[in-house]
Amino acid sequence: DTGVSQDPRHKITKRGQNVTFRCDPISEHNRLYWYRQTLGQGPEFLTYFQNEAQLEKSRLLSDRFSAERPKGSFSTLEIQRTEQGDSAMYLCASSRREEGYKNEQFFGPGTRLTVL
Amino acid sequence: DAKTTQPNSMESNEEEPVHLPCNHSTISGTDYIHWYRQLPSQGPEYVIHGLTSNVNNRMASLAIAEDRKSSTLILHRATLRDAAVYYCILRGGRNSGNTPLVFGKGTRLSVIA
Repeated sequence: DTGVSQDPRHKITKRGQNVTFRCDPISEHNRLYWYRQTLGQGPEFLTYFQNEAQLEKSRLLSDRFSAERPKGSFSTLEIQRTEQGDSAMYLCASSRREEGYKNEQFFGPGTRLTVL
Repeated sequence: DAKTTQPNSMESNEEEPVHLPCNHSTISGTDYIHWYRQLPSQGPEYVIHGLTSNVNNRMASLAIAEDRKSSTLILHRATLRDAAVYYCILRGGRNSGNTPLVFGKGTRLSVIA
């Protein structure tokens, strides 16, 4: 399967701990996006990369959040000093940079974070 | 991105057609209408998109009103596997296809056997 993969699928942590999630996009997709989804809501944009450059960050991405894509391939999302409000599904998506209107984003299965 | 309005939930019988409405009264001339769906415990997936003309693909059809202020996603024969949350999303401008998606709450479709 050559789809977007995310690891881990589930993470339970205690408040105040740091957590890191990994996303492996579809090979040769140069755009990578992180979204967060809470129960009953649609996904909300956090940040995105074109190759290794982080092009945009949402106001939702507080100082405790940091994302990297060091070699333009996989990406990591780290949350420091987790809070209960960080509990959510964290989704990663990738797409090819192309002119035009479709530019389909392919989503991974997500990492479900529970902060106790 | 302009806002969209969708019903919170809809129900359909299996093998019946389903029409999922979306209102986007503030759509601009360069906004494309995209639909994604999210199956249970999965990330969203692309369904279809269009600008002015009706569109068909293997998954669904998209009917766009003449004034473009509303659109309807049509599943011709709903199956149990179509039970999902369906999101109607506007993406504006020629290069906006590379921008993040702006999701609303979507419509939760239940399919009854």
